[in-house]
Order: sequence, then structure tokens, then C-alpha cells
Amino acid sequence: DIQMTQSPSSVSASVGDRVTITCRASQGIRNWLAWYQQQPGKAPRLLYSSSRLQSGVPARFSGSGSGTDFTLTISNLQPEDFATYYCQQTNTFPLTFGGGTRVEMK
Amino acid sequence: EVQLLESGGGLVQPGGSLKLSCAGSGFTFNNYAMAWVRQTPGRGLEWVSTFSGNGGRIYYADSVKGRFTISRDNSKDTLYLQMNSLRAEDTAIYYCARDLDYGLGSFYLAYWGQGALVTVSS
Repeated sequence: DIQMTQSPSSVSASVGDRVTITCRASQGIRNWLAWYQQQPGKAPRLLYSSSRLQSGVPARFSGSGSGTDFTLTISNLQPEDFATYYCQQTNTFPLTFGGGTRVEMK
Repeated sequence: EVQLLESGGGLVQPGGSLKLSCAGSGFTFNNYAMAWVRQTPGRGLEWVSTFSGNGGRIYYADSVKGRFTISRDNSKDTLYLQMNSLRAEDTAIYYCARDLDYGLGSFYLAYWGQGALVTVSS
């Protein structure tokens, strides 16, 4: 199985900050990677798929990477961005998620 | 508007069975891959099973293989998850999700239901 490792597991930030989350795959997944945002008590929301920003997602979210190393960057952090973020690989079954990164208010 | 509505969650004893349903609306159900994903506080998000669109393939996580069965009734726009031989570690919120892309699927999960809580306990 492909292991997805996210770092950091949590980050404290303020409104207006820039936050970068890293996701590393245990083997190459080309660009078959998604990023999700999850608010407490809600279902996950797809932000990015294969480096494509999903419709309705603000442009302050940007994703990059290929192979084994990927990043999600949130520029100019907004109050609604405090949430948990997950990466997911779809290169190979079983599909696997990272452990999550919680973005907390400083 | 795409909507997914899960039902069938509840409390079940270890070794018991439960069947989840997920009713889809707002899209042509049979054209999309559908999946079940579960979440526990301790284990985060865990993919459970996928049923590809257009009569495609079925996939399971090793942790549920042989115990869970995914199925779909395209005439009713409904996805199912039959869960047998349930264990305490199956306790989770179970989400139904629709693929982003038409056809066999890219397996990106673009639309999610509200989740159904399954608790396995005596």
C-alpha cells in the first residue's frame, strides 16, 4: 500500500498568514493527488485534484508537486480556512489518505 | 444540485450486520463511480470501497474485504454497503461520496453525503 505522510500534523497561524502543508507518498504517484478541507462536524470538501483547483475554491489555495512530494499552500489565510486538511492518492488501490493537518488559530 | 443522503447507521453488536444506503440525486447516477469512506477520531479518513461507474470494477480495503459488500441499484440511484461480521474497530462515521469525473472514474471524491454513524459495541 502507498503510505501518505503529511506534515506538520498541526500548525498555528493568524489571519493573513501563509501556510504550507506537505504530503509525501511512499512511492511515486505521478500527479494523482487530491487535497481536501474538512470543517468540524462536516464532510470533507475537495479542493484540488491533480493540481487542478476545483470550481468555487478561492485562488488563495494552490497545490503543486509530482511523484512523491506535494504541497498545499494557503496564502492570506482567512477565518474560514481554519480546518483540517487531508491529502489522498488515487494512483493505486487501495486509495489512501494522509493523517491530516490541523490549521489552528494562533 | 448533487445530493447524497446516507441512511442505515446505528448501534450493532460485535459480529452483527448492518446495511447502509446512499441515495443520490441531481446527477446521472449510473455514470459515476461511487465510494464509501469512513472516519474515526483516532484513524482519520479511511477509504473503504469503490464501485466504478458504467458497470465497472469493485475495489475494497483489505480491512473490510470478505466482510463488506458494496453494491448499487442504478434504477433507484442508490449505493449500498452491506457490513457483516462487524468489529469494534469498524465503529466510525461512514460517508458516501461521488467521483469527480464521469465514467470509470478518477477516484477523486467531489461530493460527499452527511455521513452515517455506525457504532459496534455490546
